Amino acid sequence: KNQVEQSPQSLIILEGKNCTLQCNYTVSPFSNLRWYKQDTGRGPVSLTIMTFSENTKSNGRYTATLDADTKQSSLHITASQLSDSASYICVVSAKVDSNYQLIWGAGTKLIIKP
Amino acid sequence: NAGVTQTPKFRVLKTGQSMTLLCAQDMNHEYMYWYRQDPGMGLRLIHYSVGEGTTAKGEVPDGYNVSRLKKQNFLLGLESAAPSQTSVYFCASSYVQHGFTGELFFGEGSRLTVL
Repeated sequence: KNQVEQSPQSLIILEGKNCTLQCNYTVSPFSNLRWYKQDTGRGPVSLTIMTFSENTKSNGRYTATLDADTKQSSLHITASQLSDSASYICVVSAKVDSNYQLIWGAGTKLIIKP
Repeated sequence: NAGVTQTPKFRVLKTGQSMTLLCAQDMNHEYMYWYRQDPGMGLRLIHYSVGEGTTAKGEVPDGYNVSRLKKQNFLLGLESAAPSQTSVYFCASSYVQHGFTGELFFGEGSRLTVL
């Protein structure tokens, strides 16, 4: 069964600190993996996408990694800011016949304290 | 710069009542989707549309109906609301088929409570 597991479920860190969020998946056949940021009361917004051949991709203070062999991805946030408080959702795409299926993780809720 | 707009943002229903959620996008996207988000769970696809006049079932379609009479609008209907349909509903759109590297653009959500 295709699944996406995110850890931790929630995380509290002090402003200015770094953190890493994890996403493990059992999805086949893998097409791509995307990270979304969801502010409280808002819809998710894409941060970055990782395809099979990409290991690392940065978007400002966000760096995503992908290890297709171990089926793991991480999202590293550097020098956290209060505005980073949000849920971070990992979603993996599987190509089934000619269609694509998205398998969503439950998200990690990140709280940045001043 | 409206993007994806959902109405209403909040609604309280009694069991058995019906209602319609409206989604409008101004990005000329072909693909539109309705998701529900529940605590501790990933987003679940209810119905989707690959173009004007088309609809298809997603992962959890029971109890919901949809229509896409115009390219920019995607309506989600609840015929007879049940407490299990208490959730936050998100509409999304994309230029290419979701999953094919296509980014989903989401509305701000509609919070529905069924008593």
